[in-house]
Amino acid sequence: AQSVTQPDIHITVSEGASLELRCNYSYGATPYLFWYVQSPGQGLQLLLKYFSGDTLVQGIKGFEAEFKRSQSSFNLRKPSVHWSDAAEYFCAATGFQKLVFGTGTRLLVSP
Amino acid sequence: DAGVIQSPRHEVTEMGQEVTLRCKPISGHDYLFWYRQTMMRGLELLIYFNNNVPIDDSGMPEDRFSAKMPNASFSTLKIQPSEPRDSAVYFCASRTYPWGAREPGELFFGEGSRLTVL
Repeated sequence: AQSVTQPDIHITVSEGASLELRCNYSYGATPYLFWYVQSPGQGLQLLLKYFSGDTLVQGIKGFEAEFKRSQSSFNLRKPSVHWSDAAEYFCAATGFQKLVFGTGTRLLVSP
Repeated sequence: DAGVIQSPRHEVTEMGQEVTLRCKPISGHDYLFWYRQTMMRGLELLIYFNNNVPIDDSGMPEDRFSAKMPNASFSTLKIQPSEPRDSAVYFCASRTYPWGAREPGELFFGEGSRLTVL
């Protein structure tokens, strides 16, 4: 069955520190991969996506993600976290039709 | 473009009442998705449509839930009768995937309808 796993429910990072959010997928073939961010009371906003080609993809707000086929992973990174990055982050995957989401990781940013 | 528009944004109702959530997708998008978000289960895909036709409704939890898309610019998700465990945020999303395209288009989400069933 198609699935996306985000092993960390909560992560706390100090402002200015680096961030890595983990994502693993299970699909029959390499899916299209996405990271979304959700601020409280809001819908989901696309941060970045991977379809093919360069395995390191750049997104909005200074985020990047690296696709590693051997590890079935698509981890999200940011070199220096800002307080405004506090939100919930969702990894998602799709073949050609429906998008399957992970359970999300809530990022807390400490001063 | 106005984006995906959902209504109502908030709904409080009593157990047993009928609830209808509405969604207007982005013009030109041929896929529409309904998701439910809860603390316990995260984001669950309930049903999705392609060109107004339901493709996969395996995520619809029970017969109390039904969804329709009578035309390309409107969809409804109905719960009848509603129960407290239906309390959640319901999201509608749409995208395009043109025939022959190598990649699906970006999925755009509405701001959600927060349902509380007392």
